[in-house]
Amino acid sequence: QSALTQPPSASGSPGQSVTISCIGTNSDVGDYNYVSWYQQHPGKAPKLMIYEVTERPSGVPDRFSGSKSGNTASLTVSGLQAEDEAVYYCSSYAGSNNWVFGGGTKLTVL
Amino acid sequence: QVQLVESGGGVVQPGGSLRLSCAASGFSFSSYDMHWVRQAPGKGLEWVAIIWYHGTDKYYADSVKGRFTISRDNSKNTLYLQMSSLRAEDTAVYYCAKTFMYGMDVWGQGTTVTVSS
Repeated sequence: QSALTQPPSASGSPGQSVTISCIGTNSDVGDYNYVSWYQQHPGKAPKLMIYEVTERPSGVPDRFSGSKSGNTASLTVSGLQAEDEAVYYCSSYAGSNNWVFGGGTKLTVL
Repeated sequence: QVQLVESGGGVVQPGGSLRLSCAASGFSFSSYDMHWVRQAPGKGLEWVAIIWYHGTDKYYADSVKGRFTISRDNSKNTLYLQMSSLRAEDTAVYYCAKTFMYGMDVWGQGTTVTVSS
């Protein structure tokens, strides 16, 4: 149950796009289309932003999109806004009723 | 509205025990698998355990296996986490979360557990 690998930080200016990567293995990200992304603001609970690699829950802006290639999943935030500044976590189903999270990426809007 | 409210956190000595509760409302609790996820101070999220909707199937992270027990009372719309043999590294905010399409779409506000002498 090793954690997924995310860059510790990412940044972009308002209006720009930024992509956050999430590297797993062929036992988790590479084996299942069950990657989720969560947004967490300081002192708050995580919020589901993407599920099943590309799907957005109701109410999540379409500026947020997900993708996957091999063992690497990605979250892209387009048209960056100030309120997008937060920590983003990826998560994947890892088989046998186990889940694994990434270490988190702090997104800064410059 | 859909809501999860955790309780039961506190300060406990190493080797001690604690039981967390998570009260659910606004959805059909008995129809959903439920997770516990924790976050150590200044650290990332760590999946802890899952219990299936009927309560008979339970799975744990290796880090807590044999020490933590997840359970639920569907008649009370409540999820539990019994923690024993607690260690300093179990210090964290503990969140309960509702399963949605292999993700977690509803989270509680968290309850803080501190293991310290």
